[in-house]
Amino acid sequence: DADVTQTPRNRITKTGKRIMLECSQTKGHDRMYWYRQDPGLGLRLIYYSFDVKDINKGEISDGYSVSRQAQAKFSLSLESAIPNQTALYFCATSDRTGAIYNEQFFGPGTRLTVL
Amino acid sequence: QQQVKQSPQSLIVQKGGISIINCAYENTAFDYFPWYQQFPGKGPALLIAIRPDVSEKKEGRFTISFNKSAKQFSLHIMDSQPGDSATYFCAASKGAAGNKLTFGGGTRVLVKP
Repeated sequence: DADVTQTPRNRITKTGKRIMLECSQTKGHDRMYWYRQDPGLGLRLIYYSFDVKDINKGEISDGYSVSRQAQAKFSLSLESAIPNQTALYFCATSDRTGAIYNEQFFGPGTRLTVL
Repeated sequence: QQQVKQSPQSLIVQKGGISIINCAYENTAFDYFPWYQQFPGKGPALLIAIRPDVSEKKEGRFTISFNKSAKQFSLHIMDSQPGDSATYFCAASKGAAGNKLTFGGGTRVLVKP
């Protein structure tokens, strides 16, 4: 979905390096999420933010940190990358208003390889 | 421990056939069950969703069947087409927890022409 963009799309880095993945959205949504996708494990929630001042850990937050710079921007950082953080990372957004069970809109993903 | 278990991991079906993907959940507080479809190189996109107050929901060729007592739900793709070839994820969430989704492991579906 072009309304949710992620940069970079692909990244190869070395163990111990700090890396930042960026997500921007033009949907005007308040809620943003970071997931990682691994084969056979589906998508697992890393962090989520319901507004600029609200950031929460997901089920696998160890080794990751996030920053919500603005309503439209949510960045994921790996402070010291390790090989088992090699995965496909997705950013998603959803609207706060209306129904409780709002659809999540995903970006195209960032494929991260840690050597 | 995965709270939402999905099977099979992969599925091959002939064009025109029926694809069936099953999911089981453990947390009885879950009250929203969406299915997401993901094409190669793309992010997942919502396909269809159900609340536990109904046992079935149909949208075109896609149907969700829900069994609350068994804590299971399934996706049926009728008259499967090559364009349906994708990875499908079931998910679950609790309304009180906002939009946090717990995903199953995914099923890669290949529809042969």
